[in-house]
Amino acid sequence: ETGVTQSPTHLIKTRGQQVTLRCSSQSGHNTVSWYQQALGQGPQFIFQYYREEENGRGNFPPRFSGLQFPNYSSELNVNALELDDSALYLCASSWDLNEQFFGPGTRLTVL
Amino acid sequence: AQSVTQPDIHITVSEGASLELRCNYSYGATPYLFWYVQSPGQGLQLLLKYFSGDTLVQGIKGFEAEFKRSQSSFNLRKPSVHWSDAAEYFCAVGAKETGNQFYFGTGTSLTVIP
Repeated sequence: ETGVTQSPTHLIKTRGQQVTLRCSSQSGHNTVSWYQQALGQGPQFIFQYYREEENGRGNFPPRFSGLQFPNYSSELNVNALELDDSALYLCASSWDLNEQFFGPGTRLTVL
Repeated sequence: AQSVTQPDIHITVSEGASLELRCNYSYGATPYLFWYVQSPGQGLQLLLKYFSGDTLVQGIKGFEAEFKRSQSSFNLRKPSVHWSDAAEYFCAVGAKETGNQFYFGTGTSLTVIP
């Protein structure tokens, strides 16, 4: 059984650029949630995708958007990057809104 | 509004000593409660979870937690800490009624001294 994987591991961007982060859910899972973890903070919920539809969103601006594919993998897109977007982005997958399993994260640095 | 409070930002214990990390939550629905551990630069590893039933739950690495509804608490305990337990610990709450969207506390950093 393959766990949750994320790519890339690390990423450096400059302000104003756009970034796409990717997540492959654990085998058999149909729900993906994305979290942002700033340095020294707990993860903050960005949004969740359930069977390819957005199923809830946290307090993040519209420049944070996402997508879930038929194979239940997911992308997180961030437009017009700001310095404060620098963080560890965590993806978690689950089956039908049950227990979540987290990936190792993508470390995004915005210069 | 949903929230999780971990009142201890940082705790230092001696190796072999007992440990208790505090977690209080505010949640409108029936909560699911979790404790995760995170080593530097790593993702989150689930230590234990509470969905229903017995309020004392056992987890991995010798950890346990007790759900106290009257106190809205879910404190994590370990009877004897090992140096490898040094890490950041996060309490989280979720509920199926709200799509199991997790709310995390700000974490407690644990230092273990020999």
